[in-house]
Amino acid sequence: DVKVTQSSRYLVKRTGEKVFLECVQDMDHENMFWYRQDPGLGLRLIYFSYDVKMKEKGDIPEGYSVSREKKERFSLILESASTNQTSMYLCASSASYEQYFGPGTRLTVT
Amino acid sequence: GEDVEQSLFLSVREGDSSVINCTYTDSSSTYLYWYKQEPGAGLQLLTYIFSNMDMKQDQRLTVLLNKKDKHLSLRIADTQTGDSAIYFCAVIGGQGGSYIPTFGRGTSLIVHP
Repeated sequence: DVKVTQSSRYLVKRTGEKVFLECVQDMDHENMFWYRQDPGLGLRLIYFSYDVKMKEKGDIPEGYSVSREKKERFSLILESASTNQTSMYLCASSASYEQYFGPGTRLTVT
Repeated sequence: GEDVEQSLFLSVREGDSSVINCTYTDSSSTYLYWYKQEPGAGLQLLTYIFSNMDMKQDQRLTVLLNKKDKHLSLRIADTQTGDSAIYFCAVIGGQGGSYIPTFGRGTSLIVHP
């Protein structure tokens, strides 16, 4: 079974803090993705990566950056957290078309 | 780009069949998926269908694809309270062969006794 893990299930941070969300997959997948999920808006793609050290902007990259130093790990960074970044963050990985998701991190920024 | 639409809510009685519908715009889409999200969890791949198929059955789940109308549906037979979740339709492989899926906004299925 594909396993995608995320470093935290719940996180509370203060406005202005730098926040790191970590995602690890164990299936040697080339592609990794970060989404945010908000009620009524579905999933919105923030960034994705198709190889180590490669990254591409998704639909809503503003306020976020990513890092992929190793194939199995994809990090999402909030440089200066703001209250409008309070959301559920989902990581996914894929070899080709099927995406496999982690359990999500619910981030609250106060 | 691709657009995927779903109704937001569906309420059914336990034991009845549920039908969740999805429409998409890119007729060259290759793979079509259904994901399930239980409260507080990530998305779980439920089933998928290739664009050269009309139907796929997997135990209580039946997926129907009408390519002419660009309509995908998921039927859950004998719906149980454990089926209460958000169901996402996702479409991939359209123009340009992108491997990035386009998701619908999700349909919340509420199953009541």
